[in-house]
Amino acid sequence: DIQMTQSPFTLSASVGDRVTISCRASDSVNDWLAWYQQRPGKAPELLINKVSKLESGVPSRFSGSGTGTEFTLTISSLQPDDFATYYCQQYRTFPWTFGQGTKVEMK
Amino acid sequence: QVQLQQWGAGLLKPSETLSLTCDVSGGSFSAYYWSWIRQSPGTRLEWIGEVWPSGNTHYNPSLKSRVTISVETTKDQFSLKLTSVTAADTAVYYCARTTLVRTFDLWGQGTMVTVSS
Repeated sequence: DIQMTQSPFTLSASVGDRVTISCRASDSVNDWLAWYQQRPGKAPELLINKVSKLESGVPSRFSGSGTGTEFTLTISSLQPDDFATYYCQQYRTFPWTFGQGTKVEMK
Repeated sequence: QVQLQQWGAGLLKPSETLSLTCDVSGGSFSAYYWSWIRQSPGTRLEWIGEVWPSGNTHYNPSLKSRVTISVETTKDQFSLKLTSVTAADTAVYYCARTTLVRTFDLWGQGTMVTVSS
């Protein structure tokens, strides 16, 4: 299985901050990389697919980059609604696997 | 607007069979794959398996020996059975719409399943 490792585990930030979350794959996933947001007590929601393609309705302050084994999710200006846990997922190689999550909490 | 509504028993004893069903309303059932994903307390999301509208299935090798996912196309529903559960199977179980490239773009509300004697 391809192992997905995110860093940091927890990130403390304030409204308006620029936030960056990293995701590393144990093998190349090319650009088959997605990001999800999960608010407490809710199901995950798909934010980004194919590394950088925003899903419909996702604010433009979210962006994704990277290729191969190293990927980044950036929130350009953190909003109150963005305090949540974020997961990366690879879908290049079966079985599809997720990172362990990065919790963005209020500083 | 497509919605996924899931249900099933939330408390099981060790060795029992977990059984969950997901109902898809609002259309699109035949155009997607359908997956089950679980999230154990404090751990990452784990993809359990998927079913195609045709009935074809793919399972995570880590659970394959205990998992059956089936589809009822006449009702736009799909189901999960996981046999011989242990405490390690305690998790929130989600059903999810699966795109053809294998992202999960719509999720059910989740069902907390606890395995305890």
